[in-house]
Amino acid sequence: ETGVTQTPRHLVMGMTNKKSLKCEQHLGHNAMYWYKQSAKKPLELMFVYNFKEQTENNSVPSRFSPECPNSSHLFLHLHTLQPEDSALYLCASSQEGTSGSRTGELFFGEGSRLTVL
Amino acid sequence: GENVEQHPSTLSVQEGDSAVIKCTYSDSASNYFPWYKQELGKGPQLIIDIRSNVGEKKDQRIAVTLNKTAKHFSLHITETQPEDSAVYFCAATSGAGGTSYGKLTFGQGTILTVHP
Repeated sequence: ETGVTQTPRHLVMGMTNKKSLKCEQHLGHNAMYWYKQSAKKPLELMFVYNFKEQTENNSVPSRFSPECPNSSHLFLHLHTLQPEDSALYLCASSQEGTSGSRTGELFFGEGSRLTVL
Repeated sequence: GENVEQHPSTLSVQEGDSAVIKCTYSDSASNYFPWYKQELGKGPQLIIDIRSNVGEKKDQRIAVTLNKTAKHFSLHITETQPEDSAVYFCAATSGAGGTSYGKLTFGQGTILTVHP
């Protein structure tokens, strides 16, 4: 257990559906992230939230909409996706802005495997 | 922006042998270099990291070396075991000036297979 929980673990959706991915961290961290992992590609950073404020949107299409209601929860709302959006979506958290060797270590969840038909 | 290249893409070794994975990065401002291990069906997990103020770090059978002049860093696993089989990712970030250390640029990954 990494302290980061993602649901659902698997999701199949049509291109016209609307769904959401959920992430919860139990580590008391102040930063949360969405990464996309596609076959034969490096992990790609999508969004960064520090202290609930979005600090990074890495040129992600608007059909992906993040939401961070508090420092423990992160959502990724999905609508009108394309088949090429099929991938493993990884949530992660870290503690930023403090001293010490553990600063910045990313803790990943197990991911949500998304298939778009 | 940062670009991280990782080699080899696959690596097959016999149990007990050593394994070495190499990465290069492009941004000279990068100062934090973690290595992650991803087992099947799981998210990546940090196994070791190094910051730019040191050249080498060891943790039991795992070591990482950093050459800032050449902008490359390497993961060394000694006495490999079958349970070391996984995908390994290197990453880099500057983590400076308010940028999050978690905003990582990853390499493409190395599939390591350790044969009994």
